[in-house]
Amino acid sequence: EPEVTQTPSHQVTQMGQEVILRCVPISNHLYFYWYRQILGQKVEFLVSFYNNEISEKSEIFDDQFSVERPDGSNFTLKIRSTKLEDSAMYFCASGMGLASSDTQYFGPGTRLTVL
Amino acid sequence: DAKTTQPNSMESNEEEPVHLPCNHSTISGTDYIHWYRQLPSQGPEYVIHGLTSNVNNRMASLAIAEDRKSSTLILHRATLRDAAVYYCILRDGGNKLVFGAGTILRVKS
Repeated sequence: EPEVTQTPSHQVTQMGQEVILRCVPISNHLYFYWYRQILGQKVEFLVSFYNNEISEKSEIFDDQFSVERPDGSNFTLKIRSTKLEDSAMYFCASGMGLASSDTQYFGPGTRLTVL
Repeated sequence: DAKTTQPNSMESNEEEPVHLPCNHSTISGTDYIHWYRQLPSQGPEYVIHGLTSNVNNRMASLAIAEDRKSSTLILHRATLRDAAVYYCILRDGGNKLVFGAGTILRVKS
């Protein structure tokens, strides 16, 4: 069964450093997403991406964040100048469409620890 | 997205059925009811979704009230591997899924 994969599973970085989190969505999906979950808190939407453009972003997704689909398979989240409060699980998801019946499929996540 | 209300936690015995309730009194006519679960240290996992009729798949069943103001996720025989946080989410289209706190399901052996 196809699945979303993410690398690395755990990333440790120093405050102020840049990190890139990588995802390989399900191959025939068209919509791509990043969510994050701070320890003990809810899963929060960050950004959605379609047709090589951001289609929606949350207030959390400020100028320090960017997303890219550099080739036909990868989808990346870049965090410039990481802060302590960026420490969280980051989940990539993908889906076929935006209809209310469409589902999103999540990857296993990358645990980001900012020291 | 319309709001859902779920119990904070529930407990079940292994091998017994589990009924996880969700109230969504402000649901609109086009909202689908989606259920996801999140096992410890894993990403959310799609479980099932439906609009009006009851739905079954290999993981669970979804019973939807006739007025659609509530629904119940049914796990027919809980196993220890079903211990997770279960999220009931209304989806009216658009990009994002809005997760609440969900229901923590504990399964006792």
